[in-house]
Amino acid sequence: DADVTQTPRNRITKTGKRIMLECSQTKGHDRMYWYRQDPGLGLQLIYYSFDVKDINKGEISDGYSVSRQAQAKFSLSLESAIPNQTALYFCATSSGIGNEQFFGPGTRLTVL
Amino acid sequence: KQEVTQIPAALSVPEGENLVLNCSFTDSAIYNLQWFRQDPGKGLTSLLLIQSSQREQTSGRLNASLDKSSGRSTLYIAASQPGDSATYLCAVHPLLPVQGAQKLVFGQGTRLTINP
Repeated sequence: DADVTQTPRNRITKTGKRIMLECSQTKGHDRMYWYRQDPGLGLQLIYYSFDVKDINKGEISDGYSVSRQAQAKFSLSLESAIPNQTALYFCATSSGIGNEQFFGPGTRLTVL
Repeated sequence: KQEVTQIPAALSVPEGENLVLNCSFTDSAIYNLQWFRQDPGKGLTSLLLIQSSQREQTSGRLNASLDKSSGRSTLYIAASQPGDSATYLCAVHPLLPVQGAQKLVFGQGTRLTINP
């Protein structure tokens, strides 16, 4: 079984809808991250969490919110989706600062 | 500001060749550098992690080197195979927060095609 899983893997939604992307990990890592990837822009950090009580904004957090339900679960929400949030979204984990990051398989989100 | 550049953006070589992918970064104050592989529309697979105190790491046919003082890393792939076709990304983990966040800074990637 994969160490970092994401659901759903693909999602098509309409402008204005609320949507949640979920991430679970079995690696026992404290740190979890949400990135988005756009063609030509590389990966950008949306939010990150160093433990259940510590959540921090990344470089592109506007329009997104997160919830760290447990050490193993980190969810990303789009409160009111817009077309320019169409992208590939990745969850990642690490065991500590400066340590290797492990990525999930990604969620392809399309906002019409 | 930390910036990561990968050259070339795309590379096509015949099967069996040895090849080198390049990564450069502007600030040598890093924890580590990580090389990833990404298949089209898929997730990132970590290939090698080099700590700032290390010069190189090897995994199978892959060898990554790090010259922190010059801000360069290379990924060497020996005896390339069609299955090596993918986009290869390098990322550095700066010592200091970037835009207020502890984050990896990624290059744009090199799209590698190995022709049978």
